[in-house]
Amino acid sequence: KNEVEQSPQNLTAQEGEFITINCSYSVGISALHWLQQHPGGGIVSLFMLSSGKKKHGRLIATINIQEKHSSLHITASHPRDSAVYICAALNDMRFGAGTRLTVKP
Amino acid sequence: ETGVTQTPRHLVMGMTNKKSLKCEQHLGHNAMYWYKQSAKKPLELMFVYNFKEQTENNSVPSRFSPECPNSSHLFLHLHTLQPEDSALYLCASSQDPPPPGDYGYTFGSGTRLTVV
Repeated sequence: KNEVEQSPQNLTAQEGEFITINCSYSVGISALHWLQQHPGGGIVSLFMLSSGKKKHGRLIATINIQEKHSSLHITASHPRDSAVYICAALNDMRFGAGTRLTVKP
Repeated sequence: ETGVTQTPRHLVMGMTNKKSLKCEQHLGHNAMYWYKQSAKKPLELMFVYNFKEQTENNSVPSRFSPECPNSSHLFLHLHTLQPEDSALYLCASSQDPPPPGDYGYTFGSGTRLTVV
């Protein structure tokens, strides 16, 4: 069992929908990262969280340290948000398997 | 452009070839990383260099040999690879410790390697 579990594995949404991707981890970590990987392979670092909540544009990331759980929310989703979203504790070398998001126009 | 540049973007090599992957960052970061992403598998950390010193070697076979000549450049030398080494190889850099508000890590676009 992976120490970092993401759900769902695949997600299809209509443009404009509110999207939530969940991440649970079973080990102590120093920080949690949310990454976005587009079909070409390149990865963009979206957030690094050690507590609370962060917002960047239409993206919101939250973390609950006690429950070892983090969520990534996308408001007013758009087809350009289609990508694989990866939850990872990069400093601790632990990676989720990714959630493949497809947003349809 | 993220500030981390990887070359080449694509590479096809035979099992007896020797090739090198290059990564360059102009962000002033002091740590650089090599990751491997195989099809349908999570990212795997291969090597970490912090202040030019290798601080992590995550049980990587010796046919992969990293080199970090300075804090801006990182190489991954490849020799006698196997077909199962075909994957996307990603370079990243970070500032350790991260400044406030930093996103943490900056990734390159990756090199897609095919071993035939």
